[in-house]
Amino acid sequence: DAKTTQPTSMDCAEGRAANLPCNHSTISGNEYVYWYRQIHSQGPQYIIHGLKNNETNEMASLIITEDRKSSTLILPHATLRDTAVYYCIVRVAPTQGGSEKLVFGKGTKLTVNP
Amino acid sequence: NAGVTQTPKFQVLKTGQSMTLQCAQDMNHNSMYWYRQDPGMGLRLIYYSASEGTTDKGEVPNGYNVSRLNKREFSLRLESAAPSQTSVYFCASKTDEKVASYNEQFFGPGTRLTVL
Repeated sequence: DAKTTQPTSMDCAEGRAANLPCNHSTISGNEYVYWYRQIHSQGPQYIIHGLKNNETNEMASLIITEDRKSSTLILPHATLRDTAVYYCIVRVAPTQGGSEKLVFGKGTKLTVNP
Repeated sequence: NAGVTQTPKFQVLKTGQSMTLQCAQDMNHNSMYWYRQDPGMGLRLIYYSASEGTTDKGEVPNGYNVSRLNKREFSLRLESAAPSQTSVYFCASKTDEKVASYNEQFFGPGTRLTVL
């Protein structure tokens, strides 16, 4: 699995967009970018994933650069409840019926300030 | 649905004691996982089970055993607890139903274990 690099911490004002970068310069062609987050004292929660196209769901948007060496998770209107550690994970998609061994780094601690 | 449940929520053990952490899911998921998270660190995979009756080692299996009792339940046992096993333990589960889409892992609330 490709190695990822994320800033240790970031701050964002409530109501503003939070842009969380992730560097994955050694990503392979068949590896996806996954984002999970972990709110304090809770288990991680899946946010979004993508291969090469930009993706959007009800929680966030994922922008992947054309060379796929980096990506940005965007929370369009951050709230206090978005304060959490955000993990960027790069790996091949699990095979149908197969298990998935996620590798969590230290992630980015996002603090949303009032 | 309760999702993924874990018991107990907190536990304090003395070195050498044994205990079993329980995990259950009511989502009919095939795969189940046990992770540990040390302070300031990401999660590390201990063991996983792709289906009922199968288990495999993850990144840090030493000192642990697991049992996939049935499709719902996946337990983690510490036979002789050590201070190095002080951690927060998370259980997760995942379906394999969605063929052309990502089946995300769903995590439980965690068990906070202290070994003195």
